[in-house]
Amino acid sequence: DAKTTQPPSMDCAEGRAANLPCNHSTISGNEYVYWYRQIHSQGPQYIIHGLKNNETNEMASLIITEDRKSSTLILPHATLRDTAVYYCIVRAQISSGSARQLTFGSGTQLTVLP
Amino acid sequence: ETGVTQTPRHLVMGMTNKKSLKCEQHLGHNAMYWYKQSAKKPLELMFVYNFKEQTENNSVPSRFSPECPNSSHLFLHLHTLQPEDSALYLCASSQEGDRANQPQHFGDGTRLSIL
Repeated sequence: DAKTTQPPSMDCAEGRAANLPCNHSTISGNEYVYWYRQIHSQGPQYIIHGLKNNETNEMASLIITEDRKSSTLILPHATLRDTAVYYCIVRAQISSGSARQLTFGSGTQLTVLP
Repeated sequence: ETGVTQTPRHLVMGMTNKKSLKCEQHLGHNAMYWYKQSAKKPLELMFVYNFKEQTENNSVPSRFSPECPNSSHLFLHLHTLQPEDSALYLCASSQEGDRANQPQHFGDGTRLSIL
């Protein structure tokens, strides 16, 4: 699975959009980009994933560049409850029936400020 | 509510005790995982069960013993643990198969402290 690079920390004002970048310059054609977050003392929470098209759900939007070497997670209206460590993970789609791990890095500590 | 329930949420045990961690998923998934998260370290995969068969064991010491009686339940049996085993133990589940890009869903973990 390709390696990802994220800034260690970011701040965002409450009510503003939070844009979290992730670099995955060695990504392969069959690798998906996943985003999770972990609020203190809780398990990682799945946010969104995508292959090459931009994706949106009720939590966030995922923008993947055309060359797929980087992506941005967008929280459109950040709240104090969005303060967490955000992880960008790349994992390949493989043959059916095989369960594999997610490799978590250090992530980005997002702090939403009042 | 993620659909993955772990009990207990907190556990304190001595080095000679035997205890078990329990995980139950209500998502109809066919794969389950145990991860370990030590302080200020990334998550480390411990075990993977796919269709109730253990498919991965990441060089985990034998004092950790997993059990997967069915696709909805996963246990981690603990005995003779060491202080460095104190960590957050996380269970996850996913649906593996034709659509192998499906995400894993995590429980809130068991915070384990070894005295």
